[in-house]
Amino acid sequence: GAGVSQSPSNKVTEKGKDVELRCDPISGHTALYWYRQSLGQGLEFLIYFQGNSAPDKSGLPSDRFSAERTGGSVSTLTIQRTQQEDSAVYLCASSLATSGSGEQYFGPGTRLTVT
Amino acid sequence: DQQVKQNSPSLSVQEGRISILNCDYTNSMFDYFLWYKKYPAEGPTFLISISSIKDKNEDGRFTVFLNKSAKHLSLHIVPSQPGDSAVYFCAASEAGGTSYGKLTFGQGTILTVHP
Repeated sequence: GAGVSQSPSNKVTEKGKDVELRCDPISGHTALYWYRQSLGQGLEFLIYFQGNSAPDKSGLPSDRFSAERTGGSVSTLTIQRTQQEDSAVYLCASSLATSGSGEQYFGPGTRLTVT
Repeated sequence: DQQVKQNSPSLSVQEGRISILNCDYTNSMFDYFLWYKKYPAEGPTFLISISSIKDKNEDGRFTVFLNKSAKHLSLHIVPSQPGDSAVYFCAASEAGGTSYGKLTFGQGTILTVHP
């Protein structure tokens, strides 16, 4: 069956530009998470969606970062006025359950490079 | 503040031998632990998990051990195979409360299994 998909797979952008990253979760998964992995680091939590609402945005690094989810499905992560420190792999995951015992399924990620 | 730590950045093992990957955590609220495996250019894939009410969980060649008093868990792979070569991430979550199942990851350990 279809897994979590993300687009684009790679994005190179100039400092100061805005970027949009897209995530298509597994059909029927109500929970959606965004993480990012900077070079040599573990995955860092950014934001969580339950349906279309985001009860936990605690991981967003700054107000340049925002995310939305529509129709309980597709989510977009937007980074405004990108900076070089935003360069990372951005990973999306979805899950059936919203408790910690729910296994999260990850997409392949979007590699963002800010020049 | 690194709440989940994998202190070994890399591990090299001979095919057929045991691989032992270690993970330490500091947050006593964590009560569910997972191991993910990641190949280059792919998202992490779920490997095995353990609830804090258990001290061992086994699935084929993979066994996870949890020592709550030491806040330590380990993943044993036996026998190791070249296809096991990947980055292994330890992750933890609070199954209840308001954490919404978000995962806190370690930095990862690169496992190389030599033929």
